[in-house]
Amino acid sequence: ETGVTQTPRHLVMGMTNKKSLKCEQHLGHNAMYWYKQSAKKPLELMFVYSLEERVENNSVPSRFSPECPNSSHLFLHLHTLQPEDSALYLCASSQRGAGYEQYFGPGTRLTVT
Amino acid sequence: TQLLEQSPQFLSIQEGENLTVYCNSSSVFSSLQWYRQEPGEGPVLLVTVVTGGEVKKLKRLTFQFGDARKDSSLHITAAQPGDTGLYLCVTTDSWGKFQFGAGTQVVVTP
Repeated sequence: ETGVTQTPRHLVMGMTNKKSLKCEQHLGHNAMYWYKQSAKKPLELMFVYSLEERVENNSVPSRFSPECPNSSHLFLHLHTLQPEDSALYLCASSQRGAGYEQYFGPGTRLTVT
Repeated sequence: TQLLEQSPQFLSIQEGENLTVYCNSSSVFSSLQWYRQEPGEGPVLLVTVVTGGEVKKLKRLTFQFGDARKDSSLHITAAQPGDTGLYLCVTTDSWGKFQFGAGTQVVVTP
């Protein structure tokens, strides 16, 4: 039990669909992250939220839209995705300034058809 | 730009053997974490090291931080099939910027 949950675990969507990924952390952390993990590539940091404010956006296409309504919840809204967006999307949380240890959720395996 | 390299990329060993994987950076870092990721799951934190020369042990796993805080190693003694996974190192610099390595895929066969 990592204390970070993600739903759904698997998602198949067409290029014209709109869907959202959800992440919830039960650790009392003040920062949350979205990562993309593609086969044989390092984890790619997409977005960072600290105290519900977006502090980092690593040149992610606008078809990915994050939302952080409070310190426990993080969403990634998806629309008009491309097949190359198929990957494992991981959410993580941490306490900023306290060693930067991140705790990951189990991920959402996304397939874009 | 800080370069973070993990080696080897892939390692396959028999149960009971020992193994070592490495993480090397082109820059000094403030802290380093090791994670293990199993297929279809998120990475799980194993350890954090912050002091040059530091050695930490977690059962059969030994983690070492280089004296110059630019490299680290993870040694597994008497590997078991349950040790199979992708081992990731993550470094954090003094500004709080972190970077993930590409990982070492370890396979331990019975």
